[in-house]
Amino acid sequence: GAGVSQSPRYKVAKRGQDVALRCDPISGHVSLFWYQQALGQGPEFLTYFQNEAQLDKSGLPSDRFFAERPEGSVSTLKIQRTQQEDSAVYLCASSLLWGGGAAREQFFGPGTRLTVL
Amino acid sequence: GQQLNQSPQSMFIQEGEDVSMNCTSSSIFNTWLWYKQDPGEGPVLLIALYKAGELTSNGRLTAQFGITRKDSFLNISASIPSDVGIYFCAGQTGGTSGSRLTFGEGTQLTVNP
Repeated sequence: GAGVSQSPRYKVAKRGQDVALRCDPISGHVSLFWYQQALGQGPEFLTYFQNEAQLDKSGLPSDRFFAERPEGSVSTLKIQRTQQEDSAVYLCASSLLWGGGAAREQFFGPGTRLTVL
Repeated sequence: GQQLNQSPQSMFIQEGEDVSMNCTSSSIFNTWLWYKQDPGEGPVLLIALYKAGELTSNGRLTAQFGITRKDSFLNISASIPSDVGIYFCAGQTGGTSGSRLTFGEGTQLTVNP
């Protein structure tokens, strides 16, 4: 497809379960970002990849959160032992390049809505 | 986490009215962006601003990058029903380590026909 895709679109997990969220960026995009959006809030940065390298993971809220992009394209965000406070929409974005400027526009996917019971 | 201060939180207007919303930060940003998010979708970029003092238009939208680099505003003229949605400002410092976006809390816009 032409845009960023994410799967699943909705995920319900019982507290303590592990979940894996997938992001397919736009083909050829070097940079990939994960954001967490709580209900009624703006997105908050989680982590950033440039190709397969994870250059910034300072936004990950705990060591239960882990992200990878092994071949520099598809990325997976994994949350272990989910807690109720993990309930949010997880957004993935990709950009052609990095840094600021017109060529670095971040294109967002539709998000995965995670509900932890 | 850090977020920008965006106001107002919500607006209820009549079709045809003009709208103004703004964003302030205690930190300097080198790029200011305005996004619109519809229910069940990711944010979509409306306007990007790259220079302090810059005033940029995109159709009925006009946005300005504050001279201090710590604020921005977005105006929508002659609102129409499809303008309904949540508008977010976002700041970016730039450079490899500054690629992340810092978002405001959003302005929920409702347009009554």
